[in-house]
Amino acid sequence: DGGITQSPKYLFRKEGQNVTLSCEQNLNHDAMYWYRQDPGQGLRLIYYSQIVNDFQKGDIAEGYSVSREKKESFPLTVTSAQKNPTAFYLCASSPDGAGANYGYTFGSGTRLTVV
Amino acid sequence: AQSVTQLDSQVPVFEEAPVELRCNYSSSVSVYLFWYVQYPNQGLQLLLKYLSGSTLVKGINGFEAEFNKSQTSFHLRKPSVHISDTAEYFCAVSDLRTSYDKVIFGPGTSLSVIP
Repeated sequence: DGGITQSPKYLFRKEGQNVTLSCEQNLNHDAMYWYRQDPGQGLRLIYYSQIVNDFQKGDIAEGYSVSREKKESFPLTVTSAQKNPTAFYLCASSPDGAGANYGYTFGSGTRLTVV
Repeated sequence: AQSVTQLDSQVPVFEEAPVELRCNYSSSVSVYLFWYVQYPNQGLQLLLKYLSGSTLVKGINGFEAEFNKSQTSFHLRKPSVHISDTAEYFCAVSDLRTSYDKVIFGPGTSLSVIP
């Protein structure tokens, strides 16, 4: 079955470390998105990509970086510059950049905790 | 900028009772509207969407929502809830004038079904 795979499910990071969250999709979707979820705040957009080798900053991009070298993959790196990285991270995709027409397909998330 | 308000952060309801989860958005011009459901420690799943046409939209799991342009609302309803409906529900909007390629999420409503 097609879907989005996020790994790992749980991730622990020491202060000052960079960590990379994986997101892979086999839906042949063009657009991919990274959201951060904190209790009571809904989902906030970090980065999104509408096509390979192109991506745009979302509302809270500071302290994060992404790459889109392959259509299937959109990894997110949480850098040491992100001061409060503990959160639930969700990856999503849509068939094309006009994601509103179809809605998003979400992965099952990665819970990142700073120790 | 477009925004989404979900007036109730928590809604407790008895099993087999009806429920309404409220959603309001800030602009009524050219929007697409969505409801998503999130079960604990999982990603989001699309419940239903309004793109155009009939203002009453039916979704999965017996849920429906009504688009009201004059009140800029998109409330979610179910006539009889089940224990398995306990989850977090997110309303989302895409403003076709300014951000057709992104979806803005509300803060979420936690629905607790009491046996």
